[in-house]
Amino acid sequence: DTAVSQTPKYLVTQMGNDKSIKCEQNLGHDTMYWYKQDSKKFLKIMFSYNNKELIINETVPNRFSPKSPDKAHLNLHINSLELGDSAVYFCASSPGAGLPYEQYFGPGTRLTVT
Amino acid sequence: AQSVAQPEDQVNVAEGNPLTVKCTYSVSGNPYLFWYVQYPNRGLQFLLKYITGDNLVKGSYGFEAEFNKSQTSFHLKKPSALVSDSALYFCAVRDVGGSQGNLIFGKGTKLSVKP
Repeated sequence: DTAVSQTPKYLVTQMGNDKSIKCEQNLGHDTMYWYKQDSKKFLKIMFSYNNKELIINETVPNRFSPKSPDKAHLNLHINSLELGDSAVYFCASSPGAGLPYEQYFGPGTRLTVT
Repeated sequence: AQSVAQPEDQVNVAEGNPLTVKCTYSVSGNPYLFWYVQYPNRGLQFLLKYITGDNLVKGSYGFEAEFNKSQTSFHLKKPSALVSDSALYFCAVRDVGGSQGNLIFGKGTKLSVKP
C-alpha cells in the first residue's frame, strides 16, 4: 500500500501550458506539503496545508496554486509554465504541524518544460 | 533565520568501514533535527531525528547520529558501511518554536560506498 502517492510520475510539457500534479496520502495525516527539488538536488518547501488550511506559502510565483479538497489530498496547479519550473516536485505528509513529526514523502513528479 | 550546512558534496567510503556524513545547523532556539535518505529516482525516506534527551540517536538501517549543541552539529554515522547505503543524504532542521512544521534542508551529501 502506497502511503503517499503522486500522479503523474513524469510530466513533459511546453512553455506556456497549464498543468496539475496530484497527491494523495492514506496515512490519516493532518498536514501535507509541496517541496521543489531543483537540478542540483536542493529541496525547498513551497506550500503546506494543515487540515485543508494553507499554513505555509513560501516565496513562490503566483502561477503556482495549491488546492486541498480534503485532508488526504493536496494538488498543485501550475499556470503558464516556464523553463525554470523544470524540477522534481515532492509531496509529503505528517501527522500534524505543531510537533516534530517526521514527514513521509511521495515518489516525486519530474516536470520537464520544453 | 534557520539554516543547515552539509559541508561535503560527496563522501566516499569502502564497504565495511565506518562512515560519517556531516551536518551543522543554525536556529534561533532549540532545534529539532532530522536525517533523510534519497535513493535514485525515489522520494526521501526518514532515517532518524533528534528532539530532546540522549544526544546519540539511533535510527533505521543501523544509522545513528550525534547531537552536539556546543558545536551545533548533528553528524550521521554508521559503524560499517554497505554498498547499498550509497545514496543522497539530507540533514534537516526545524525550530522548536515553529508551529508550521516545515523543514529546512541542507543541500545533500552523496554517499558512495565501494566494494
